[in-house]
Amino acid sequence: DAGVIQSPRHEVTEMGQEVTLRCKPISGHDYLFWYRQTMMRGLELLIYFNNNVPIDDSGMPEDRFSAKMPNASFSTLKIQPSEPRDSAVYFCASSLSGLRLVEKLFFGSGTQLSVL
Amino acid sequence: DAKTTQPTSMDCAEGRAANLPCNHSTISGNEYVYWYRQIHSQGPQYIIHGLKNNETNEMASLIITEDRKSSTLILPHATLRDTAVYYCIVTTGIAGNMLTFGGGTRLMVKP
Repeated sequence: DAGVIQSPRHEVTEMGQEVTLRCKPISGHDYLFWYRQTMMRGLELLIYFNNNVPIDDSGMPEDRFSAKMPNASFSTLKIQPSEPRDSAVYFCASSLSGLRLVEKLFFGSGTQLSVL
Repeated sequence: DAKTTQPTSMDCAEGRAANLPCNHSTISGNEYVYWYRQIHSQGPQYIIHGLKNNETNEMASLIITEDRKSSTLILPHATLRDTAVYYCIVTTGIAGNMLTFGGGTRLMVKP
């Protein structure tokens, strides 16, 4: 398996523009997580899905952020409109659960977002 | 989830064992100790996890004290490629608690 695949690897945009980050989880994994990493706040969980259904989005910073998972092999994180403070590295991770426990998270390489 | 305390940074000589400590004095009975690492410009990578018994895999060993209030991750023969930030996380393992990664320990392996 190629692992968790994220695109784009880097995104530079101007304030006010819409940004869409994409993630393909590992085939067969039933959990998908979106994280954001900044120097100030470290790695934070934004939202996670189980079997394509959003379970907890309490980490999403505000309504400008939205995430979807239309099928088991694809998820998007959208920011509209983007702001400079959204600049960060966004990671997608997937996992296979067992007895409701998430033993291992497999992370993608991340998307480095810069909002000018 | 229980809070963890790790040293900010550590150095280790190449080829020697790297012992990374983690304090989690408020750990609950149903919480696991997980270790991940993040090499520069990459996503975090799972290393190992345990509940109360010591664990070993191809990457590392995890030693958990009998009272479970602290643990040590051991990289038996550190290489330059082990230079990374190592995160100790205590969690029930239920998806909703996975996870907030704290500051971690920045391990520098030196030749």
